[in-house]
Amino acid sequence: EAQVTQNPRYLITVTGKKLTVTCSQNMNHEYMSWYRQDPGLGLRQIYYSMNVEVTDKGDVPEGYKVSRKEKRNFPLILESPSPNQTSLYFCASGGGDLYNEQFFGPGTRLTVL
Amino acid sequence: AQKVTQAQTEISVVEKEDVTLDCVYETRDTTYYLFWYKQPPSGELVFLIRRNSFDEQNEISGRYSWNFQKSTSSFNFTITASQVVDSAVYFCAPLTTSGTYKYIFGTGTRLKVLA
Repeated sequence: EAQVTQNPRYLITVTGKKLTVTCSQNMNHEYMSWYRQDPGLGLRQIYYSMNVEVTDKGDVPEGYKVSRKEKRNFPLILESPSPNQTSLYFCASGGGDLYNEQFFGPGTRLTVL
Repeated sequence: AQKVTQAQTEISVVEKEDVTLDCVYETRDTTYYLFWYKQPPSGELVFLIRRNSFDEQNEISGRYSWNFQKSTSSFNFTITASQVVDSAVYFCAPLTTSGTYKYIFGTGTRLKVLA
């Protein structure tokens, strides 16, 4: 089944404790992206990657890191989480040409205390 | 700078009514793509349609139709004969292509279809 998977789905952590949210897709897509969703703000793009070893900032990259060592994986790293990073995070991938639709993962709800 | 506006925060309709969701995308780019996504109460994000800035033909797919007018920067989405299952948040999401490939999501319109 074609899908984007994220782990964990729910996470409660404390300020300053490094964490990684994994994202994996099995569709051989080149484009992958991370978003955060906050009430009233819609989805905001954090980082995106157009291919392996190619990443670029979205609109809200501060406090986040990403890496794209393999085509299928695009982990999101919070080196020192803060309460303002409490949010719902979505990973997405898109394939074919770069203008195709994105397929979204199920979301990760992160709470930073 | 690009700006996407979904001015309708929440809309409530009675089942079988038609409803139109508005999206305005302001940009100086001549080439861009516009997407609509749906987020039902279960939380997943589902792709609905993609259009490019060169194609102003309206499109109809079942009960859904889209009207893109480049002159007014509007990309509106109409649901005909709405159903309770259409209740969701709908996002308009332009893709910029001028040097970057960033998506800008609108703030969404919450549609409630009442039985």
